[in-house]
Parts: sequence; structure tokens; C-alpha cells
Amino acid sequence: GAGVSQSPSNKVTEKGKDVELRCDPISGHTALYWYRQSLGQGLEFLIYFQGNSAPDKSGLPSDRFSAERTGGSVSTLTIQRTQQEDSAVYLCASSLGGGRTNYGYTFGSGTRLTVV
Amino acid sequence: QKEVEQNSGPLSVPEGAIASLNCTYSDRGSQSFFWYRQYSGKSPELIMFIYSNGDKEDGRFTAQLNKASQYVSLLIRDSQPSDSATYLCAVIVSGGFKTIFGAGTRLFVKA
Repeated sequence: GAGVSQSPSNKVTEKGKDVELRCDPISGHTALYWYRQSLGQGLEFLIYFQGNSAPDKSGLPSDRFSAERTGGSVSTLTIQRTQQEDSAVYLCASSLGGGRTNYGYTFGSGTRLTVV
Repeated sequence: QKEVEQNSGPLSVPEGAIASLNCTYSDRGSQSFFWYRQYSGKSPELIMFIYSNGDKEDGRFTAQLNKASQYVSLLIRDSQPSDSATYLCAVIVSGGFKTIFGAGTRLFVKA
């Protein structure tokens, strides 16, 4: 597609429920990233996918968080048993490649998650 | 020590002035550096990237990199009210592919 597409744009869920956030990167971009941004805070790295390589999951805050990328394209971030501290904007980004071929990210518009 | 540090601001400059935004990073092996702009309620958007020591110019924006001092800056010439936003410095850490972001500097350009 022309840009990075994320859905839903807003999600309100009850504490303890599971949620799935979707990201569709720019066609041809091999690298895909998830970040989250709490109100007034910086971007916190969650996970990175590059082609068919094993993902870098070093930023996932707990085992309640998981992500997958199917067919090297669409990615889903799943949060199980949501907690109020999970409330944030979840941003997906893609880039042409990783490492020195990362000429910068294109971000999606984000999913605003509110846990009540 | 945070991996990427920025002054949170706010930095206030008059319209037409030069805005200077600074960033330091802790990983001496970092090779790739980026500046993003984020308007309130919006996603970050890439302004420019720099890999080599020295200056890189793109329109009204100039990125400056000094790897020996582990310092990267962004200059905005002829600042406009539309430049008012939070500016994020980002660094790809050595040995990996993830990008670490600073907390951002808020810039206000007064008309």
C-alpha cells in the first residue's frame, strides 16, 4: 500500500481481556517494528521483524505481549490479559531494510489502546 | 544513563530565527542517526538521516554529527510557526537493528 496501515485506530477494552492490533506495512519494506508511546512519553521499542530472520523481541515488556508477522507482510501484536498500564498508543513502522539499509521509518497512524 | 538523551524543552524561538536541537547518545558504536518530527496527536515523520561525521543539509534543515563527541544536532533555519512540534532524535544501536528514540524536544516557534 501507499503507507503503513494500522487497525483499529482506537480500542477500548476491559481489564483482563485480550486484544489484537494489526499492522500492514508498505509493500516491499522488509523490516517492521512495533513501538508504544505513553501519554507525553517517548517511543518504547517492543519488537522488530526483518525478512525471514528471527524477530528481536527484546523490548516486549512481559510474556503477555506477543507478535507475529505472516508471509513477511502483515503483523499482529497481541496483548493478553490487558492491564491498565498497557494503555498507550501502539505504533507500527516499516523500513526498506534493516541496519545500514534502514533509511528511516514510515510510521502508521497508530492504535490508541485504552484499558478500563 | 539513557541511551539517547535530549533536552525536553520547551525551546521557544521567534519566527525566522534558527532553532538548534541537540542530542547525545551513549553507544559509541552507533552508525545511523535520524531526526523525526511529531506533531501533537500524530505519528512521527522522518525529517532526515545522517551516517557520516559533518553536516548534511536538506532545505531549511541541517543535521550535524560528531561521533567522537557522540553528539548529533538539528538546525532549522528560518523557523516557521508550522515547525512547532516535538523533535525526536533516534539512533540505531550497534550490533543490532533496533532504533532507540530520545524522549524528544518540544519546539515552539512564535509568530
